[in-house]
Amino acid sequence: AQSVAQPEDQVNVAEGNPLTVKCTYSVSGNPYLFWYVQYPNRGLQFLLKYITGDNLVKGSYGFEAEFNKSQTSFHLKKPSALVSDSALYFCAVRLLEGSARQLTFGSGTQLTVLP
Amino acid sequence: EAQVTQNPRYLITVTGKKLTVTCSQNMNHEYMSWYRQDPGLGLRQIYYSMNVEVTDKGDVPEGYKVSRKEKRNFPLILESPSPNQTSLYFCASSLVASSTRGEQFFGPGTRLTVL
Repeated sequence: AQSVAQPEDQVNVAEGNPLTVKCTYSVSGNPYLFWYVQYPNRGLQFLLKYITGDNLVKGSYGFEAEFNKSQTSFHLKKPSALVSDSALYFCAVRLLEGSARQLTFGSGTQLTVLP
Repeated sequence: EAQVTQNPRYLITVTGKKLTVTCSQNMNHEYMSWYRQDPGLGLRQIYYSMNVEVTDKGDVPEGYKVSRKEKRNFPLILESPSPNQTSLYFCASSLVASSTRGEQFFGPGTRLTVL
């Protein structure tokens, strides 16, 4: 079985400050890890993914995420937050080996960037 | 423009009245999937399809049906809707079910209310 935990329902950060959205995962094997973003009244949009290789993954809109195997974490980060980053963020995991069900999503974290 | 479309975007109905939510993609994707999004629960997969005439249950299939007669279309059918099916529904597609890429393209969502 695979699962994802996003321990914070809500994260508030001031514009210009660094932001972190936390994600931990559990899989019985090697994971693929993903971050998606959902803006109001929109579907989810892919942000970035970790497959193998460098533990620091860079994605869209200046976001990056760090894969930490020992802590089974994949936290989303951005050095300087923008008000336009305010959205709902989902972490997702799937096994490296093929699984037709693909992704298991976390419960989501609402990021609010304050001007 | 590459996209996943869903119709309707908003629907209010009554218990027991059959309804269909349509989903269409123009990217020639083999894999399509339906999710429901509920507060605090993230996205949960209802059904998925790996190709035409190939469908399978996800994590929460009860009360739903799907069909995949054409590659581009994947309608979600609620034969006898109940209030616990009030939710936000997303259709998604991807190029290959178990590819290393894994990114899914999501539709804009359908907000369903069952009274």
